Amino acid sequence: AQTVTQSQPEMSVQEAETVTLSCTYDTSESDYYLFWYKQPPSRQMILVIRQEAYKQQNATENRFSVNFQKAAKSFSLKISDSQLGDAAMYFCAYANSGGGADGLTFGKGTHLIIQP
Amino acid sequence: KAGVTQTPRYLIKTRGQQVTLSCSPISGHRSVSWYQQTPGQGLQFLFEYFSETQRNKGNFPGRFSGRQFSNSRSEMNVSTLELGDSALYLCASRVAAGTIYGYTFGSGTRLTVV
Repeated sequence: AQTVTQSQPEMSVQEAETVTLSCTYDTSESDYYLFWYKQPPSRQMILVIRQEAYKQQNATENRFSVNFQKAAKSFSLKISDSQLGDAAMYFCAYANSGGGADGLTFGKGTHLIIQP
Repeated sequence: KAGVTQTPRYLIKTRGQQVTLSCSPISGHRSVSWYQQTPGQGLQFLFEYFSETQRNKGNFPGRFSGRQFSNSRSEMNVSTLELGDSALYLCASRVAAGTIYGYTFGSGTRLTVV
């Protein structure tokens, strides 16, 4: 079974600064997908960024980028120019390739606080 | 394009009762999965449906069941409710089996068992 670990229960950053959220995972698969989801108080999980394991290039989405280290099974999220609206719970998630019938495996989450 | 719609948003039930939660996926999405979110256990996969067939189920007792209709709408049912079933139940949809571009989540149903 796959596991996802987020070792930082809470992180705090000043507005406009850069913050990195950590995620490690364990799997015996060679092909899989990794995601970062954001959950604001509205409760809806919002996809932030997605990475396919077979792609060596790190994914980027505007101010959000990842550092994907496949050998180390590490998948960190970097948020540049932090904004107040970035405050939320952030979840790292894993999905097997092969159709996704196993669903997503989530980490416990990191609560990101943005200081004005 | 409408998002994933979950109803009801909040629900209070008594121990021993049963409950049915509903999820309408994004139009064109044929796969629906359900997750339970609690402070202690975090987010846990319940089951996934595709074309009215359950493709997989997480480690949950048989009291948790679900189904998917021909229009891709899904329902999950919990029978003989226990206090520990209090949780946020999230539904997610995606286009189909195959390449996973991402799951789109609804805002969840907050179930409280008293």
